[in-house]
Amino acid sequence: AQSVTQPDIHITVSEGASLELRCNYSYGATPYLFWYVQSPGQGLQLLLKYFSGDTLVQGIKGFEAEFKRSQSSFNLRKPSVHWSDAAEYFCAVGTRYNNNDMRFGAGTRLTVKP
Amino acid sequence: DTGVSQDPRHKITKRGQNVTFRCDPISEHNRLYWYRQTLGQGPEFLTYFQNEAQLEKSRLLSDRFSAERPKGSFSTLEIQRTEQGDSAMYLCASSRTSGGQETQYFGPGTRLLVL
Repeated sequence: AQSVTQPDIHITVSEGASLELRCNYSYGATPYLFWYVQSPGQGLQLLLKYFSGDTLVQGIKGFEAEFKRSQSSFNLRKPSVHWSDAAEYFCAVGTRYNNNDMRFGAGTRLTVKP
Repeated sequence: DTGVSQDPRHKITKRGQNVTFRCDPISEHNRLYWYRQTLGQGPEFLTYFQNEAQLEKSRLLSDRFSAERPKGSFSTLEIQRTEQGDSAMYLCASSRTSGGQETQYFGPGTRLLVL
């Protein structure tokens, strides 16, 4: 079965600085990849997704992610972080054969310093 | 498109009581999922429905848990004889299967506290 690792439990960045959140997956074939964001006490909001095609994916709120097959990674990036980006970020992996079996990483908590 | 809704948003109960949560998916979404999320963890799959059929259940779903989606629209998740270990956020998600490329959209969750 597929799995996801988010190596960073907590990241702190200054407002206006760039951001990169790491996500590594394990799956033998081409995965479906997702990034979700969760504010405290709230559900998950989809930021972006990768199914196939262009490996650089644009999402909402100025986020982007790049699928790198050679590194089994799908890192999330933003060029300039805003205070409102402070939240928990989850990477998830599904498969084209059984996409109902979606696995989530443990999440990375982002703190934004003024 | 009003999004996935869940009710209640918060529930506090005493150990041994039964609780029921409701999820209303995005209209015309044929799949509905239930997840459980504990502090510091990502969501863990519990079960899912395709229309009214419950197609898969995780081994996390003990016999005290039951889910229904009677008309292929809203769903309920019932926990009988609650235990303190059931305290968690229960998330519902829905999706529409389309050529194998499926995206799940999540509701706000129901936070359960068992005293």
